Amino acid sequence: DQQVKQNSPSLSVQEGRISILNCDYTNSMFDYFLWYKKYPAEGPTFLISISSIKDKNEDGRFTVFLNKSAKHLSLHIVPSQPGDSAVYFCAASSRTSGTYKYIFGTGTRLKVLA
Amino acid sequence: DGGITQSPKYLFRKEGQNVTLSCEQNLNHDAMYWYRQDPGQGLRLIYYSQIVNDFQKGDIAEGYSVSREKKESFPLTVTSAQKNPTAFYLCASSIENRGFNTQYFGPGTRLTVL
Repeated sequence: DQQVKQNSPSLSVQEGRISILNCDYTNSMFDYFLWYKKYPAEGPTFLISISSIKDKNEDGRFTVFLNKSAKHLSLHIVPSQPGDSAVYFCAASSRTSGTYKYIFGTGTRLKVLA
Repeated sequence: DGGITQSPKYLFRKEGQNVTLSCEQNLNHDAMYWYRQDPGQGLRLIYYSQIVNDFQKGDIAEGYSVSREKKESFPLTVTSAQKNPTAFYLCASSIENRGFNTQYFGPGTRLTVL
């Protein structure tokens, strides 16, 4: 039972355009969502997060949108740069569970074409 | 210069041998985690520890063991009982901030069992 899903395993975008990465979840108890960026053979790097009390959080070129009714979040990268090429993971957690466990999606490989 | 260190970067072991992966953090984080990543898959939680001298099994704990004797250290032992030990292992740590908990990852250790 995959509680966090990233249905697009890969995405290609032209440099300068917008990249949109999607993530769906099934557990309505999730209240904190994060995006991580990962290069091969390295640990994931934290990008941006959003709590369930918000529907948007922005940090520079990165914006995360949360649609609680649809149980859907997305990461927008504008403008996309070749250095953004990596695998992006979304993760979700629930503070009410009393633990700090995350559930990760399977990742989307973004390729930004120069 | 705070961070999470994992050593070694690459590790080779013969089948049937136990091996211990190191994870150290100087971020003063309370919680620490071990994940496993396999090709095309997300991060799967092996064990986590929210405080010293306490740890809990994650989703795939069979064949692994951990200890948390110090706040800074959370070593993972891959035992001979783990059927498919070859993988990329990631350690993370986190601290709660205003009710939210963000995990930060080390660089990872790639274990290959021959």
